[in-house]
Order: sequence, then structure tokens, then C-alpha cells
Amino acid sequence: DAMVIQNPRYQVTQFGKPVTLSCSQTLNHNVMYWYQQKSSQAPKLLFHYYDKDFNNEADTPDNFQSRRPNTSFCFLDIRSPGLGDTAMYLCATSRGAGPTYNEQFFGPGTRLTVL
Amino acid sequence: EDKVVQSPLSLVVHEGDTVTLNCSYEVTNFRSLLWYKQEKKAPTFLFMLTSSGIEKKSGRLSSILDKKELSSILNITATQTGDSAIYLCAVERGGSNYKLTFGKGTLLTVNP
Repeated sequence: DAMVIQNPRYQVTQFGKPVTLSCSQTLNHNVMYWYQQKSSQAPKLLFHYYDKDFNNEADTPDNFQSRRPNTSFCFLDIRSPGLGDTAMYLCATSRGAGPTYNEQFFGPGTRLTVL
Repeated sequence: EDKVVQSPLSLVVHEGDTVTLNCSYEVTNFRSLLWYKQEKKAPTFLFMLTSSGIEKKSGRLSSILDKKELSSILNITATQTGDSAIYLCAVERGGSNYKLTFGKGTLLTVNP
């Protein structure tokens, strides 16, 4: 089945210790997104790629970086995690073209805890 | 800044009840509104509403877009315990480069 896969599902890291979250998709979608969702809050877009074009949200901290080495994979790097970065991190994809171009398909999420 | 407000924030009903969830928005150059269902994991897509498709229905779920009132409702009839979830509303602004702005969601609990 075509899908969006995130690894790991759960990650515990120490304050200041770099962490990388992974997302892969078999949908062959052009657009990939990273969202941060804290408890009882709306998903907050961090950045997205249209193909290799990177689009950073203005209020995304510099501590958060992303890489998309190919169509299928996208990574979220948190260089120096703080306690406030504890959250669910959601990866999503969309076609980016056609009538349903912006219907976003989400992965299961990575729940990150920073101690 | 785009804004999406959902109400109520939480709702508890009994199986068989009908519920209506609300979403209002302020967005420049509105393009589409999407509803998602989020259980204990990632959101799953329910409906997309646009100017050319202001009403959608799938089984017991239906949604209507009111562009004049800048709002949408999501109706669930004959609720089941499996409908318990957070329901998220999101809007897309034209020219937003494929981005969505999400509301905080409505937590629906359906008791047996």
C-alpha cells in the first residue's frame, strides 16, 4: 500500500543532543511537509519542499533544519533540542498538482521527548 | 495572518447522537477548506471543500462550506464510539504555496 512512513515512532533525547527524524513516502508526491504538534494544539508547519525547492516558515527556529535527498525521503534535524521541542512531529505529503493537489497525507508521527 | 477557529473545543455525546462541529476562518484569497480526523496518531483526510464543491458527504459524515459566513460545519449522524477523535479543520490560502493553516481541533468523545 502506498503510504507515508516515519521513523522512529518514539524518540527520547537529552537536552542539547542532536536528533534526526526520518520520513519516507511511496506515493511519489511532489510536496513533503514537516509539522510540529504540541499537546492540545494545532499542527504547526515548520517547512515544506516542492520537489527540491525548500520553503521555511518565518517563525521556524534556526535549530530546526531539513533535508530532502530524493523524492521519497525527507529528514528533520534538530541541532540542539530544548525542553520546549517535546512534541509530535508529523510528516505529510501532497501531489502538488491536479484537482486534489493539496490533499495532505500524513505519516503516523514521531513522538519526541526531550529530557 | 490566517486564522482558523474551531468550536466547541470538546464535546461528549452518547452513541446514536448527531453532532455538528464548527470551523470559522479568516484567510486572504481563500482556496479550500479541509477536514481531518485525528485519533491517537496522524490526521486522516475526510473532506476537501472549495468554491466549486461546497457540500460533501460520506456515509454518516457530511460537511458544508458557507463562503459568505466564512465557515464550515461537519455533521456526524448516528455517532459510534469509533467516531471518538480530534477533528481538525484546515484552510488553504490561494498562492500559499501548498500550505495549510490548521485549527486546534474539536475533541469528540462518544460514550456507549
